[in-house]
Amino acid sequence: DAEITQSPRHKITETGRQVTLACHQTWNHNNMFWYRQDLGHGLRLIHYSYGVHDTNKGEVSDGYSVSRSNTEDLPLTLESAASSQTSVYFCASSNTGYEQYFGPGTRLTVT
Amino acid sequence: AQKVTQAQTEISVVEKEDVTLDCVYETRDTTYYLFWYKQPPSGELVFLIRRNSFDEQNEISGRYSWNFQKSTSSFNFTITASQVVDSAVYFCALSEAKSGYSTLTFGKGTMLLVSP
Repeated sequence: DAEITQSPRHKITETGRQVTLACHQTWNHNNMFWYRQDLGHGLRLIHYSYGVHDTNKGEVSDGYSVSRSNTEDLPLTLESAASSQTSVYFCASSNTGYEQYFGPGTRLTVT
Repeated sequence: AQKVTQAQTEISVVEKEDVTLDCVYETRDTTYYLFWYKQPPSGELVFLIRRNSFDEQNEISGRYSWNFQKSTSSFNFTITASQVVDSAVYFCALSEAKSGYSTLTFGKGTMLLVSP
């Protein structure tokens, strides 16, 4: 069955370190997305991609970057982790105009 | 102004009660899509329904039903005879033309607590 996976599921890191969160989908979807979820804010879009080598900034992109070298993967990098980036991160994928399917989430704590 | 407003932050009901979760959206597009997602306590996000702006028919799926009214820009979700397993956060979302109908704008969610 097609799926979307994220790793790691939990991560604790220190302020200033670079962190990469992985996202892998086997739906063969063109579009991939990264969100963060925080209490009181719901889901906010960080970055998204419409296809290989395409990346776009979302609502809260500062301090984050992504790259898309193939259809299946969209890793999210925190250049220099900050305590404000402590959050739950969700990856999602979709075909245009259709529902997004979400990964299980990564809980990131920056100490 | 919020694009998707879920005014009910939290709702508590007793099992078997009916409950309606409200969603009001804002868009200038004539073609758009609306979605509902469920996030149970385990944390995953589960897709429930997608509705395009040209289809105003109500939809029913088991105990779940959705009422889409363009005149009031609302896409409300009703759970009939609620069960404890319905306890979750429910998100309404909007997809518009400017994003190529790809990105979603989410409401802040409504937490539903169903007690036995």
